[in-house]
Amino acid sequence: GAGVSQSPSNKVTEKGKDVELRCDPISGHTALYWYRQSLGQGLEFLIYFQGNSAPDKSGLPSDRFSAERTGGSVSTLTIQRTQQEDSAVYLCASSDVVYSAYNEQFFGPGTRLTVL
Amino acid sequence: GIQVEQSPPDLILQEGANSTLRCNFSDSVNNLQWFHQNPWGQLINLFYIPSGTKQNGRLSATTVATERYSLLYISSSQTTDSGVYFCAVGRNTGFQKLVFGTGTRLLVSP
Repeated sequence: GAGVSQSPSNKVTEKGKDVELRCDPISGHTALYWYRQSLGQGLEFLIYFQGNSAPDKSGLPSDRFSAERTGGSVSTLTIQRTQQEDSAVYLCASSDVVYSAYNEQFFGPGTRLTVL
Repeated sequence: GIQVEQSPPDLILQEGANSTLRCNFSDSVNNLQWFHQNPWGQLINLFYIPSGTKQNGRLSATTVATERYSLLYISSSQTTDSGVYFCAVGRNTGFQKLVFGTGTRLLVSP
């Protein structure tokens, strides 16, 4: 079946604007994750969803970042009042895990965000 | 939190050569994955290997969980193997975040 998809693939915005990034996980995957890859910080975890709830938001860098997931499928990551330090590639992953030890995560192609 | 170190940071090979990439982690893990990030930025799953040994074509991986390291072997390298190789670990069972190493950048020249 289809892999994880993300849109847009590239987004250029002006400082202070809001942006929304979308992730479509692999069909049937219960877990969805957001990560960020930037030059200075490497690959870092942001948030994960278990169904539609987000038990772990520990990686969100500030209250300008929020995310939601609806219908146990599509997720949206929203960044309000973007800053230049938000420029990065935002990666989404999903996994098929139901309280078991197996948790292989599969990644989408990412959204490259540039804040001018 | 758990620390993940990868070595070497950079590796240059001639086509056909073999290589070993290493991943050390600071605590026990229930998940370990190796990824290849291609020039377009896509993370490609290579192995899900919290313990034991697996092989897939020219690639193989071994994780010695008790000693907290994993090795990725690339044999008869090809130019298409170029890119960045990441090791990522997770401590919990079930739903969990991955902690990534800083990667090994591999360049295979013809």
